[in-house]
Amino acid sequence: RKEVEQDPGPFNVPEGATVAFNCTYSNSASQSFFWYRQDCRKEPKLLMSVYSSGNEDGRFTAQLNRASQYISLLIRDSKLSDSATYLCVVNPYMEYGNKLVFGAGTILRVKS
Amino acid sequence: EAQVTQNPRYLITVTGKKLTVTCSQNMNHEYMSWYRQDPGLGLRQIYYSMNVEVTDKGDVPEGYKVSRKEKRNFPLILESPSPNQTSLYFCASSRGGSVDGYTFGSGTRLTVV
Repeated sequence: RKEVEQDPGPFNVPEGATVAFNCTYSNSASQSFFWYRQDCRKEPKLLMSVYSSGNEDGRFTAQLNRASQYISLLIRDSKLSDSATYLCVVNPYMEYGNKLVFGAGTILRVKS
Repeated sequence: EAQVTQNPRYLITVTGKKLTVTCSQNMNHEYMSWYRQDPGLGLRQIYYSMNVEVTDKGDVPEGYKVSRKEKRNFPLILESPSPNQTSLYFCASSRGGSVDGYTFGSGTRLTVV
């Protein structure tokens, strides 16, 4: 079983739609969670951290469910510029400091 | 500007010819790491360093070497590149705490023929 699993998509949605991605992780001791965004052939960029209480940043909402070991990302009012690959990221190994494990990514395509 | 700088951006080389990909960060970060990204496999960690002179293997270290003689630099060395090392490589750094995200370099697209 992969440490971090995501639906690869692609998710094809019209502008203005609401779209949600889920991600599951295998190590129940994981402490830190993130969503990164990656545009084609470019470096991943931190979109947002995911906190236990859930957090929101504009049109983006992230949720953590520790009992079920999954993380979600909700994007409201999708824009063309949201088209990218979204990477679910987990820090499962406290003993290795800041080692992050990346999911393979979910592709989002927003169309006009 | 806070950044991680990788060079070169693109490299085509032949099997067996030693090469080095440089990585430098100007944020005084303690933690640095190398990843490779392949289609369908996502980002996989090659090596990481928690501080100067402290390096350790990640998930796919075979065929790679690193060094951390200075805090800002973390070069990736391929002593004898092979075609299966053709990939997109990213260097990343962070402050080192478990809640810190990474800042990535722009990537190096390596082709070994």
